[in-house]
Amino acid sequence: DQQVKQNSPSLSVQEGRISILNCDYTNSMFDYFLWYKKYPAEGPTFLISISSIKDKNEDGRFTVFLNKSAKHLSLHIVPSQPGDSAVYFCAASDGSSNYKLTFGKGTLLTVNP
Amino acid sequence: DTGVSQDPRHKITKRGQNVTFRCDPISEHNRLYWYRQTLGQGPEFLTYFQNEAQLEKSRLLSDRFSAERPKGSFSTLEIQRTEQGDSAMYLCASSSGQGFEKLFFGSGTQLSVL
Repeated sequence: DQQVKQNSPSLSVQEGRISILNCDYTNSMFDYFLWYKKYPAEGPTFLISISSIKDKNEDGRFTVFLNKSAKHLSLHIVPSQPGDSAVYFCAASDGSSNYKLTFGKGTLLTVNP
Repeated sequence: DTGVSQDPRHKITKRGQNVTFRCDPISEHNRLYWYRQTLGQGPEFLTYFQNEAQLEKSRLLSDRFSAERPKGSFSTLEIQRTEQGDSAMYLCASSSGQGFEKLFFGSGTQLSVL
């Protein structure tokens, strides 16, 4: 029973263009959503988060959008850079479960020069 | 802030051996989590500590696995009688315990059971 789903295993984008990574969730108790970036042989590093009381959060080139009614969130990267190439994980949390994160399977983003 | 530190980075062991991993969280972080990640999957929750108390364990954590966090500082994860299915990246994460917040992850311990 996967509560957080990232249905695109991979995405390839040209440098300078927009990257859009998608995530769906099924647990309506989730209140907080995060995106992590992971390079091979390293731990995930935090990228950006959004609370369920908001529908958009922006941090530099990264914007996360949340559509609660659709149980869907997306990460936009503009402009994409080759250094953004990594696996991106969507994660969700709810306060009633010790704030632990439930992760999706990840999307491998490749930004081509 | 020196980050979350995990040791060792890599561990190769033979089936049936016991292994122990260590995690040093960011100082003063009172929440500590262990996750496991296998190829093609996202990190999966194993267990959670609030200070020295182990408050939650996943059903993924069989009785061969035990975790401790003495004095609420560093934590150890021990796997007894390792099996090939235990091969994975074991990740430790910590947070300061201020409600919803991001978890800071270590670089992980890559376990290979031969």
